[in-house]
Amino acid sequence: GAVVSQHPSWVICKSGTSVKIECRSLDFQATTMFWYRQFPKQSLMLMATSNEGSKATYEQGVEKDKFLINHASLTLSTLTVTSAHPEDSSFYICSAKRGLGYTFGSGTRLTVV
Amino acid sequence: AQKVTQAQTEISVVEKEDVTLDCVYETRDTTYYLFWYKQPPSGELVFLIRRNSFDEQNEISGRYSWNFQKSTSSFNFTITASQVVDSAVYFCALSALNFGNEKLTFGTGTRLTIIP
Repeated sequence: GAVVSQHPSWVICKSGTSVKIECRSLDFQATTMFWYRQFPKQSLMLMATSNEGSKATYEQGVEKDKFLINHASLTLSTLTVTSAHPEDSSFYICSAKRGLGYTFGSGTRLTVV
Repeated sequence: AQKVTQAQTEISVVEKEDVTLDCVYETRDTTYYLFWYKQPPSGELVFLIRRNSFDEQNEISGRYSWNFQKSTSSFNFTITASQVVDSAVYFCALSALNFGNEKLTFGTGTRLTIIP
């Protein structure tokens, strides 16, 4: 079945540094990918929709200059958290649209210290 | 705008009991899809079911069953003879053709604990 590989699964970084999270569709081409953030014991909140070859569409309240999304190919989308701060610590999950459904990555737990 | 409401924040039941998780949705689209996902402690999302707005047939898959009622905008999920492995957070979600942007909107989730 459709698989989306997300790396890294966890990362700890120092405040002020940048972190890149990758999301790859392994056996299909993903024209559209989504990035979600989930705080502990909360729901998944959509951050942005990324379309291959075009600029990402960010949800209201999400800083596009802080959360850089690149979808340069049909199998790879990346989320870069720039100048990370402790409040950016969260669980980030990517998802790829395939047909009528969605395939999710396994998530990245980011801790900023 | 679309919205998914899961009023039950946490539920605890004793193993082997049946449990129903409620989901109520709002959308202006006439064509939409409803989903249920399971999120175990590891964090990954496990797909359980997808249902389109034109198919109101209830579905059963093993111990799982889903009741879709368009009249009440509800898509409830029942686990019969619950097991400890069913302990997880369950999310109901909705996607609709909203100006070509098929965003998946999640409910707030229900944390289910099965007590051995």
